[in-house]
Amino acid sequence: AQSVTQLDSQVPVFEEAPVELRCNYSSSVSVYLFWYVQYPNQGLQLLLKYLSGSTLVKGINGFEAEFNKSQTSFHLRKPSVHISDTAEYFCAVSVRRAQKLVFGQGTRLTINP
Amino acid sequence: EAQVTQNPRYLITVTGKKLTVTCSQNMNHEYMSWYRQDPGLGLRQIYYSMNVEVTDKGDVPEGYKVSRKEKRNFPLILESPSPNQTSLYFCASRPFSGSSYEQYFGPGTRLTVT
Repeated sequence: AQSVTQLDSQVPVFEEAPVELRCNYSSSVSVYLFWYVQYPNQGLQLLLKYLSGSTLVKGINGFEAEFNKSQTSFHLRKPSVHISDTAEYFCAVSVRRAQKLVFGQGTRLTINP
Repeated sequence: EAQVTQNPRYLITVTGKKLTVTCSQNMNHEYMSWYRQDPGLGLRQIYYSMNVEVTDKGDVPEGYKVSRKEKRNFPLILESPSPNQTSLYFCASRPFSGSSYEQYFGPGTRLTVT
């Protein structure tokens, strides 16, 4: 079975500062990895995904993530955050032919002016 | 516009009163799924469907039913709701073929059971 751990439940940062949201996963087979964002009172929107190939994945809104197989991590980064990035971020994993996404607990990103 | 829609968006009900939350997608996706979101637990899968008349349990199916009579619709049924089913519910869909595994989510239904 797969599991996902998001190491921080809340991350406060100042506007224009860099941010890293951490995600570790556990799986005995190869996985697909995703980051979703949930803005207040909205559904989930895909930020980026890793399926195969280059371990550095670029997504929407200036976010990127790096897949590290040896450390079983998929941390999300942005070099300079904006107030509009305030949201909850979910890391998720899926395996080939699996019928579900397994989600982490979520990280609430708060941007202070 | 390609989308997943859910109704209602907000619902307050009482213990034991049967309710249905509807989910519809216009992308001709074979796969549909229901999740519940609770603070500190992320999203957990309730039920999923791989196609019409094909459904199966997820991780937290107790107290829920689903049906898939049409490809576009996947309603979630709570026959006797209880307060522990107070939660935020999301429907999602994706094509069964292909390799992206990306799921498309509806806007959510916030359910309160008193």
